[in-house]
Amino acid sequence: QKEVEQNSGPLSVPEGAIASLNCTYSDRGSQSFFWYRQYSGKSPELIMFIYSNGDKEDGRFTAQLNKASQYVSLLIRDSQPSDSATYLCAGLDNYGQNFVFGPGTRLSVLP
Amino acid sequence: KAGVTQTPRYLIKTRGQQVTLSCSPISGHRSVSWYQQTPGQGLQFLFEYFSETQRNKGNFPGRFSGRQFSNSRSEMNVSTLELGDSALYLCASSQQHGELFFGEGSRLTVL
Repeated sequence: QKEVEQNSGPLSVPEGAIASLNCTYSDRGSQSFFWYRQYSGKSPELIMFIYSNGDKEDGRFTAQLNKASQYVSLLIRDSQPSDSATYLCAGLDNYGQNFVFGPGTRLSVLP
Repeated sequence: KAGVTQTPRYLIKTRGQQVTLSCSPISGHRSVSWYQQTPGQGLQFLFEYFSETQRNKGNFPGRFSGRQFSNSRSEMNVSTLELGDSALYLCASSQQHGELFFGEGSRLTVL
């Protein structure tokens, strides 16, 4: 059974701090990983994806991938109250067909 | 470029009835996936269609079915509705091997 695990939270951080969201996956065949943000009552929207080991930065967001440890993370710098949402981690298998989503981590940024 | 469009956005049914949900993908996207989202279970994969063929199927009973038309539009049907089918049903489209773009969802309430 292919699984993606996330801490459900809630993760609370003060405004301006760094929020660190973590994700582990069981399928070593997963090659690409995606972070989605979902506001309450809304559909998930893509923040960024990563497929190479190391870090990938996009504005205030940094995704990190460690395939040896089967670990993916998302760092949000200078967190804002508008970042308060549920963050979903998803892995895509090597065939590019099967997405497996984690349960999501609820982030709360406190003003 | 128009996004993924799902209809209807909200609907209320009673146990035993059936429901059909519709999804129009982003122009040029040939893959359409369906997900069920509930507070307790998170995002659960239902099935994925590519070029009118069901390419992958999740672990849902046969009451859940879908299809895709030649214009890539997709429908999913749930027959003999149960209370536990109350959920947000999300459709996502993608280019082959690409990230998922979600529609706003169809929120189904079964009474």
